[in-house]
Parts: sequence; C-alpha cells; structure tokens
Amino acid sequence: AQKVTQAQTEISVVEKEDVTLDCVYETRDTTYYLFWYKQPPSGELVFLIRRNSFDEQNEISGRYSWNFQKSTSSFNFTITASQVVDSAVYFCALSDDFTGGGNKLTFGTGTQLKVEL
Amino acid sequence: KAGVTQTPRYLIKTRGQQVTLSCSPISGHRSVSWYQQTPGQGLQFLFEYFSETQRNKGNFPGRFSGRQFSNSRSEMNVSTLELGDSALYLCASSFVGGGGEAFFGQGTRLTVV
Repeated sequence: AQKVTQAQTEISVVEKEDVTLDCVYETRDTTYYLFWYKQPPSGELVFLIRRNSFDEQNEISGRYSWNFQKSTSSFNFTITASQVVDSAVYFCALSDDFTGGGNKLTFGTGTQLKVEL
Repeated sequence: KAGVTQTPRYLIKTRGQQVTLSCSPISGHRSVSWYQQTPGQGLQFLFEYFSETQRNKGNFPGRFSGRQFSNSRSEMNVSTLELGDSALYLCASSFVGGGGEAFFGQGTRLTVV
C-alpha cells in the first residue's frame, strides 16, 4: 500500500528565509507521480508541482525547487526567499494507481508553514 | 477558464439526514475525484469518476456514493449522516487521470449536528 509521510507538522520562518519541506513516500509501483499542493486558509488545494518516477532531474521554478531522490524515496520541496503569502499548509501527494488510468491521490498529513515579518 | 466549482460552500445538517454535494469540473476535464478532509484523518480519497463510470473507490462505507453526468458534472451523496461525517469535502478534476494534474475546488464544509 502507498504511504506519504510529512514528518514536519509546523515550520515557522522569518520572511526571506529559505525553507525546505520534507516528504517521504512508500509505494511498490515502479511508475508513479509525486505532487506538492498548497492549501491556504480559503481551503482550496492549489497545485504546485508534479514529477514522475522516471525523471529525477531536479528543477527550479521561480522561488520553488524540488529534490527528488528515488534512492531514499524522498521528494522535498524548497521555497526560496519566503514571503508572508507563502503561509499555508503544504501537502505532498502520491499517485500510483494507474489501473484503468485511475486518478487517486494519497496525501501526507501536511506541513503548516508560517512566514512572519 | 473557470476553475472547479463546488456547491454549496457550507452546509449544516442533522444527524440521520442525507446530503448531496455538487461539483462542476473544469471544462474538458473528464475525471472527477472526491476527497474528505478532517483534522483527525487528513485528506482521504473517496472515489473517482471518469466518463460517468466509477473508476476507483476509497475505503468508505456504502453511505457514501456518487455519480457523474454526461457533462462530467458530479454529485456525491451521504446518507444517514453521522457526526463524524463533518468535514471539508473537496472535488478535483483532471483531464485524463492517471497521474494527471488534479485541480481542486474550494470545497464544501459540511457540519453535522
């Protein structure tokens, strides 16, 4: 069975600091996708990034970057120069159910990020 | 391009009643998934519909059901409501499913009293 673990329950940083959110996943499948979502107080989950299991290349997109390492089953997410608007709950998610092309996400428990002035 | 629309946004029901929640996906998206979010259990997958057929189902009792219409709009129904059903119910749509990016609505906050 698949599982996603976000060990950090809450992180507080001062604006402009860099912050890394950790994610460890478990799956028996060789084909899977990993996601990061952001949930602001409004409740809507906002899609941030997606990586597939065949692509371990780490990239930077604006202030966001991620570090995908299959050897350690980790998919960490970094926000550079954090801003107050980044304050939200961040969820790591795994999709490995491709039977019939299904779309089922397994979420971690989330990390509450607080960015203060 | 309009996002995922869920109605109603807030709902208060009495234990034992039933409730129907609605989700309109992004135009062109054929996959609609439902999730329940509670403080204790976090985000849990309920079910997914694709082209009017249920393609995946999570580990929830039969009181939770859903359907999808030909225009891809989806409804979920919870019968015989229990206090523990109080949660934020989120709907997500994606173009094809299977690892595709899922876009979420703002959710329906259900309170059972």
